[in-house]
Amino acid sequence: AQSVSQHNHHVILSEAASLELGCNYSYGGTVNLFWYVQYPGQHLQLLLKYFSGDPLVKGIKGFEAEFIKSKFSFNLRKPSVQWSDTAEYFCAVLTTSGTYKYIFGTGTRLKVLA
Amino acid sequence: NAGVMQNPRHLVRRRGQEARLRCSPMKGHSHVYWYRQLPEEGLKFMVYLQKENIIDESGMPKERFSAEFPKEGPSILRIQQVVRGDSAAYFCASSPQGGTQETQYFGPGTRLLVL
Repeated sequence: AQSVSQHNHHVILSEAASLELGCNYSYGGTVNLFWYVQYPGQHLQLLLKYFSGDPLVKGIKGFEAEFIKSKFSFNLRKPSVQWSDTAEYFCAVLTTSGTYKYIFGTGTRLKVLA
Repeated sequence: NAGVMQNPRHLVRRRGQEARLRCSPMKGHSHVYWYRQLPEEGLKFMVYLQKENIIDESGMPKERFSAEFPKEGPSILRIQQVVRGDSAAYFCASSPQGGTQETQYFGPGTRLLVL
């Protein structure tokens, strides 16, 4: 079955700490991978996406993610978090067969302490 | 450029009433997707529509839920005879052509509370 797993449900960090959020997927076809962020009270915004090419993808606000095909992973990283990064982060796979729809992970709630 | 619009942002219904959620896609987008986010869970795909067509409704509950995207006007997600378990955030997304390698853009969501 197609699925996306985010193992960290809640993460608390101090400002300037480094961040890595795990994302593993189970999908048999070619994958298109995304990270979305949802700030409190706001809609989902795209952080970054991977379709093909360089497996290290850079997104907005200093975020990056690395696609490791052998590990079925697409972890999100940021070297130094800020208080304003407090949000919920969702990893998603866009299916590439049949109709194109997202399969989302359950999300990781990040709280950054000032 | 207006993004994806959803209204209402918050909706309160009593058990047995009907809920209608509206979604206006981004300008130039003809593909609409509805997702539901239950408390403490990720977003789950419900239905994918183009204008006047339902393309994929594999995520829709079999009863009480329906969706449409008419030629004119917004897409509507309709929930009849709501129950407490329908309380959730409902997100709409749109894309230009519905193809692979296409980012979907999300609206702010409608938070439905069933009393």
